[in-house]
Amino acid sequence: DIVMTQSPLSLPVTPGEPASISCRSSQSLLHSNGYNYLDWYLQKPGQSPQLLIYLGSNRASGVPDRFSGSGSGTDFTLKISRVEAEDVGVYYCMQGGTFGQGTRLEIK
Amino acid sequence: QVQLQESGPGLVKPSQTLSLTCTVSGGSISSGGYYWSWIRQHPGKGLEWIGYIYYSGTTYYNSSLKSRVTISVDTSKNQFSLKLSSVTAADTAVYYCARLQSSYCSGGNCYPYHFDYWGQGTLVTVSS
Repeated sequence: DIVMTQSPLSLPVTPGEPASISCRSSQSLLHSNGYNYLDWYLQKPGQSPQLLIYLGSNRASGVPDRFSGSGSGTDFTLKISRVEAEDVGVYYCMQGGTFGQGTRLEIK
Repeated sequence: QVQLQESGPGLVKPSQTLSLTCTVSGGSISSGGYYWSWIRQHPGKGLEWIGYIYYSGTTYYNSSLKSRVTISVDTSKNQFSLKLSSVTAADTAVYYCARLQSSYCSGGNCYPYHFDYWGQGTLVTVSS
């Protein structure tokens, strides 16, 4: 089974500063068709998860452009160029139905 | 705007079957093009994909739950349902239904990616 490992697990960030979350897979996520089937989700406090990024680097509809995804194979990164207060919550990467353990972003 | 709403008992006794229904509004399950999925979240923990179904009835399940899970669809009611048998306290969780944009297949199995709409979730507690 694939294991998705995120780091850090806790991420305190000052508003306006950048943030970065790593997601590593125990197996390559690069499909034979060339796609990396890696999603990023944000679960804000008290809410359901919401899609941020799909196929590793494609922003979902309505997601601010301060969010970006990159990576291929086994290493992926979610970057927030300038953190805002509304970005607080737990970030999950997901591949093929297997979620990472989550990274809790909090405002300093 | 697609909306999903979970419904069902909030308390289930151990060894019994957990049954939940997801009602979809703002879009038709039978129009195709999407898959319909269940995901759960144990209290204070991460997310676990359970399975998904296409309007035709084709299903794919998480291998860890496959022996106990059945997902079905009722296109006439625009609903899909989850049944999880032989539950224990370990099945206590918030259960979400979600629309799945797509899936991909590899090694003879198919997997979800791109959950774009989620229900609000419903807490199911397994206790006597």
